[in-house]
Amino acid sequence: SAVISQKPSRDICQRGTSLTIQCQVDSQVTMMFWYRQQPGQSLTLIATANQGSEATYESGFVIDKFPISRPNLTFSTLTVSNMSPEDSSIYLCSVEDPRGVGTEAFFGQGTRLTVV
Amino acid sequence: GQNIDQPTEMTATEGAIVQINCTYQTSGFNGLFWYQQHAGEAPTFLSYNVLDGLEEKGRFSSFLSRSKGYSYLLLKELQMKDSASYLCAVVTGGSYIPTFGRGTSLIVHP
Repeated sequence: SAVISQKPSRDICQRGTSLTIQCQVDSQVTMMFWYRQQPGQSLTLIATANQGSEATYESGFVIDKFPISRPNLTFSTLTVSNMSPEDSSIYLCSVEDPRGVGTEAFFGQGTRLTVV
Repeated sequence: GQNIDQPTEMTATEGAIVQINCTYQTSGFNGLFWYQQHAGEAPTFLSYNVLDGLEEKGRFSSFLSRSKGYSYLLLKELQMKDSASYLCAVVTGGSYIPTFGRGTSLIVHP
């Protein structure tokens, strides 16, 4: 299994500011994923963070709004930029089981963001 | 695109059995996951089905019919701690990244 440490666990931010969320994994993984979970909604994939290359963003998400870093195989950050109340959500970091495809994904505890 | 449908909310009595259904319409199916998510916590893995049939794991079982685009999660001997959201997620095509349904909020009452 993989243990993921995500921080901060929660934050309240002013609109127009930015917040960087950190995700640390206790083992090396090829891909790390960032999800958003809005109240009462499903998990929506924001992007896939690959070490050594730019993140791959899903439809509706752009790098200027959600810049991602992946400096090594155990760490990634997601920044929520120029925040508005619509960005209030839970943000989750996830990694695949290092055993490979078809096995479970592991999630961090999530960051509960409130924008006021 | 992908469409994953599951009921929004279900209630059941402690000690009973409950079945949570998930239907999906996707291209290039590669497997289906069930996750449990307690309020304020991260999702945790329950099961993975890629072949038709029933997979049993303790009190929880998961069933898949690929031809019908249908799965269910069966919870037996319900306990209060089973109150949580249950997420159905499908892996498709070459990405192997799960796409999640909206989740089913299960409330277990005494």
